[in-house]
Amino acid sequence: EVQLLESGGGLVQPGGSLRLSCAASGFSFSDFEFNWVRQAPGKGLEWVSFIASYGTTVFYTDSVKGRFTISRDNAKNSVYLQMNNLRAEDSAIYYCAREAWVDMWGQGTMVTVSS
Amino acid sequence: QLVLTQSPSASASLGASVKLTCTLSSGHSNYAIAWHQLRPERGPRYLMKLDSDGSHSKGDGIPDRFSGSTSGADRYLTISSLQSEDEADYYCQTWGTDIRVFGGGTKLTVL
Repeated sequence: EVQLLESGGGLVQPGGSLRLSCAASGFSFSDFEFNWVRQAPGKGLEWVSFIASYGTTVFYTDSVKGRFTISRDNAKNSVYLQMNNLRAEDSAIYYCAREAWVDMWGQGTMVTVSS
Repeated sequence: QLVLTQSPSASASLGASVKLTCTLSSGHSNYAIAWHQLRPERGPRYLMKLDSDGSHSKGDGIPDRFSGSTSGADRYLTISSLQSEDEADYYCQTWGTDIRVFGGGTKLTVL
């Protein structure tokens, strides 16, 4: 089955860390770039980060630069988002998304930053 | 700055058609976009990629009722024969060399 499956979300205190994972299946993983996109409660979709097919190029939205790190392991067909120094405003559903025009979405994983 | 502008809300009757608009910022009228659907309690769903010439390629399983078109900096999503399941938030999205951008979304109500 062609799918993206996120995991790793949860409740964390402000200043804490989480590592999200996205496991891909059913297609040639290394041929594609991936993004992380989030939706905060009651808000719209917001792009967070991008990683090129071989991980050589990465980009971030300004609000997460220096705190979040995107990476991938093509041998494990997985993309990751290491999130450090989390803030309340990072609370959201985080989606893994394939390609620049996002032709495939995962089901999302919820991150809640609260004391 | 690459920005997408969408109306916050739209409504149409069951069985009717509706045309949603997404406008690219000045200087970006030649950009392609994608349309996505976000229904309550469900994850986002890719609908189609829409090029500046109006050509579009839809995602797997997207009904023929969904179509896209272009006029200048405006990108449109038309949904015909509206069904109750089409009630959702619709987002346009585009991309540059080092950025991906989402519009603010349009909440579609099916009356």
